[in-house]
Amino acid sequence: EAGVTQFPSHSVIEKGQTVTLRCDPISGHDNLYWYRRVMGKEIKFLLHFVKESKQDESGMPNNRFLAERTGGTYSTLKVQPAELEDSGVYFCASSQDLFSASYYNEQFFGPGTRLTVL
Amino acid sequence: GQQVMQIPQYQHVQEGEDFTTYCNSSTTLSNIQWYKQRPGGHPVFLIQLVKSGEVKKQKRLTFQFGEAKKNSSLHITATQTTDVGTYFCATNAGGTSYGKLTFGQGTILTVHP
Repeated sequence: EAGVTQFPSHSVIEKGQTVTLRCDPISGHDNLYWYRRVMGKEIKFLLHFVKESKQDESGMPNNRFLAERTGGTYSTLKVQPAELEDSGVYFCASSQDLFSASYYNEQFFGPGTRLTVL
Repeated sequence: GQQVMQIPQYQHVQEGEDFTTYCNSSTTLSNIQWYKQRPGGHPVFLIQLVKSGEVKKQKRLTFQFGEAKKNSSLHITATQTTDVGTYFCATNAGGTSYGKLTFGQGTILTVHP
């Protein structure tokens, strides 16, 4: 079974440019998450899709970030315009749809996209 | 918002020594998940704890969840060079943010052969 894939693996752009990151979750996983790790800091949640709907976007830093998941399959995360502080590693994760009040599913992380904004 | 504090930030050990990382919260946690990230890699799920006082073992790794569900630890016995990486604890936020994982800062483990 293929894991979570992300594209590109690296991206170097200049401040003010636009970048679009793509994530393909594990087939059959309704839940898709975006996280970001800025160098030396903890991994921070950005948002959570259930199928094509945004369940929780409380972690999105500002309106320069736009995430979509049309059709409930792959997802894109667009940063426009990029700022220096957007540099970091962007991880996508996916999980199955089963959960209960006291059990949460493990999340399968992709390899990440390392974004550098110059 | 919910926070999980993880210590130590770094740990250097000789191969064969033990290693422990701790996570603490000021609030009661619904669960604790532990992830390992190898250098240059991505977080990989290790285990989940949900019950008060729960202890789980995976070979040389022992995971504990505190009685008050406010702290957790990961202990590695007799470290090996394959154990190097960053170990993160994480917890689910619950409610409408049930999918959101809040991570600790991570503990970077280096093992000297």
